[in-house]
Amino acid sequence: GQNIDQPTEMTATEGAIVQINCTYQTSGFNGLFWYQQHAGEAPTFLSYNVLDGLEEKGRFSSFLSRSKGYSYLLLKELQMKDSASYLCAVLDSNYQLIWGAGTKLIIKP
Amino acid sequence: GAVVSQHPSWVICKSGTSVKIECRSLDFQATTMFWYRQFPKQSLMLMATSNEGSKATYEQGVEKDKFLINHASLTLSTLTVTSAHPEDSSFYICSAPYSREGLEQYFGPGTRLTVT
Repeated sequence: GQNIDQPTEMTATEGAIVQINCTYQTSGFNGLFWYQQHAGEAPTFLSYNVLDGLEEKGRFSSFLSRSKGYSYLLLKELQMKDSASYLCAVLDSNYQLIWGAGTKLIIKP
Repeated sequence: GAVVSQHPSWVICKSGTSVKIECRSLDFQATTMFWYRQFPKQSLMLMATSNEGSKATYEQGVEKDKFLINHASLTLSTLTVTSAHPEDSSFYICSAPYSREGLEQYFGPGTRLTVT
């Protein structure tokens, strides 16, 4: 079956760095997405990786290793507004998005 | 970026009634739209894929006669929850891919449905 694993919850301090990991086992791979979802709101797009390596976009970076079925989202200089759930999703061979359960990130002052 | 709207944002209805939710792509055409349901503290669950001009494709376990989907134009898909029950109370979200491969899938703001 298809499976995406990410930690349920993480806590970090304002101004610090946090890394959210995601491992996946899917039928085919056409890219991995990270989305941010604040409580009661729809997800918003953060990043897309289809090749191995690190993609940097401001305070957020996303890394992919296809051979290991592994990705991480790195958040730097954490701000209180970064408190949200972070969803990892993989586009499988049928171009269907397979979603992880999300990681709730709690930022403390 | 591309914009997807949903209407209504929230709705309260009585058990046994039907509710229609609209999903519109405002500045691009979407031959495909996706409908998700999200229960509290859970991840998105794909309900169905809406295809313009043809029948929707439903995920396993989703009743097609209960969740009616109509994709009448390249910018509008509707989800009708028929004979709603309290267990249908959830957050319904639509999304539309901005390219054939589904890259940068844009989400509507969601509709909070409460069935009393």
